[in-house]
Amino acid sequence: GESVGLHLPTLSVQEGDNSIINCAYSNSASDYFIWYKQESGKGPQFIIDIRSNMDKRQGQRVTVLLNKTVKHLSLQIAATQPGDSAVYFCAENWGYGGATNKLIFGTGTLLAVQP
Amino acid sequence: GAVVSQHPSRVICKSGTSVKIECRSLDFQATTMFWYRQFPKKSLMLMATSNEGSKATYEQGVEKDKFLINHASLTLSTLTVTSAHPEDSSFYICSARRPRTSTDTQYFGPGTRLTVL
Repeated sequence: GESVGLHLPTLSVQEGDNSIINCAYSNSASDYFIWYKQESGKGPQFIIDIRSNMDKRQGQRVTVLLNKTVKHLSLQIAATQPGDSAVYFCAENWGYGGATNKLIFGTGTLLAVQP
Repeated sequence: GAVVSQHPSRVICKSGTSVKIECRSLDFQATTMFWYRQFPKKSLMLMATSNEGSKATYEQGVEKDKFLINHASLTLSTLTVTSAHPEDSSFYICSARRPRTSTDTQYFGPGTRLTVL
């Protein structure tokens, strides 16, 4: 079934430190994954994505790692800034490229950056 | 980047009334749009997939007669919450999938806060 969180895990970091946010996904057949950032009262904002034929992808200050063996994703944010404070969701794409293509969201992690 | 808008951003209504929320893709044509619901401090839950020119596909447990979806054009999908009740109060978010892109990414609207009194 879909991943639905009961609580919102929180990660508190100091400004300038690196942040690592983890996510466990549910469907071993998922082959496309996305990280989204959601600020309070706003819609999710695309950060970075990765396909299942890769295990690492880098963007500007962000890196996504994929471990298909244990169905685990992580988002690394370098030199975390106060503006990075938000809830971060991973999403797995079910039925990629097909008629039933849809996103299933993980629980979410609240990143709190301390100045 | 792709822009998706929602209207209204916030709505308060009385119990028993119906509320319509619009989702528009502003700079691309979206054959598929999605509607999500989000409770405070919780994740996004997919309600339905809206395909242009055909009936929406609803997720298990979502009442199709309660949440009416219309995707009449390639840039507009609407969600109507019929006979709203306080338990329907939530944050409703739409997304649009940009076709013919290598990543098939969904772009999200800013959300609509519905409060039913």
